[in-house]
Amino acid sequence: QQQVKQSPQSLIVQKGGISIINCAYENTAFDYFPWYQQFPGKGPALLIAIRPDVSEKKEGRFTISFNKSAKQFSLHIMDSQPGDSATYFCAASMTGGYQKVTFGIGTKLQVIP
Amino acid sequence: NAGVTQTPKFRILKIGQSMTLQCTQDMNHNYMYWYRQDPGMGLKLIYYSVGAGITDKGEVPNGYNVSRSTTEDFPLRLELAAPSQTSVYFCASSYGDSGGEQYFGPGTRLTVT
Repeated sequence: QQQVKQSPQSLIVQKGGISIINCAYENTAFDYFPWYQQFPGKGPALLIAIRPDVSEKKEGRFTISFNKSAKQFSLHIMDSQPGDSATYFCAASMTGGYQKVTFGIGTKLQVIP
Repeated sequence: NAGVTQTPKFRILKIGQSMTLQCTQDMNHNYMYWYRQDPGMGLKLIYYSVGAGITDKGEVPNGYNVSRSTTEDFPLRLELAAPSQTSVYFCASSYGDSGGEQYFGPGTRLTVT
């Protein structure tokens, strides 16, 4: 059972463009939604996270949009750069769940010059 | 701080052999996790621990064992290695009230032939 569905699996964006990755979840008990960024040969690292009491969170060029009623959230990367080329995972966890995180399958982003 | 360290980085095992993947963290985190990452499958939780002496199964525990005798160390044991255990293994840790943020090690790439 895939509790966090992520799309697309791969994405190619031109430098300067907007990268958009979408995720949907099923469990309404989830209350923390992080995005992790993974470069080749490295472990994932937290990029940005949101809680369902806000609809949007922005950190630099990275923005999470959250739609609680639709049980969907997305990552937008503005002015995408070749250095953003990585695999991005959306995830979800719940308070009292021992910080166990359910991950999406990942999106491999390639930003071309 | 070194963060989360894992050894070895790479290993090739023959079918039926056993090995232990080492994981150490120096952030005094109480929660630790083991994941496996397979292409197109995201990260799957194998085992987790909420403190020394306390471990529990994750989503894909079969063929693995863990122990947690100290806060710092969380080794993963593979008994009777099988080709299906070929994967990249990540150890992660988090502080209890961090809201789900996990810190990952660099991973161990294991091939079973």
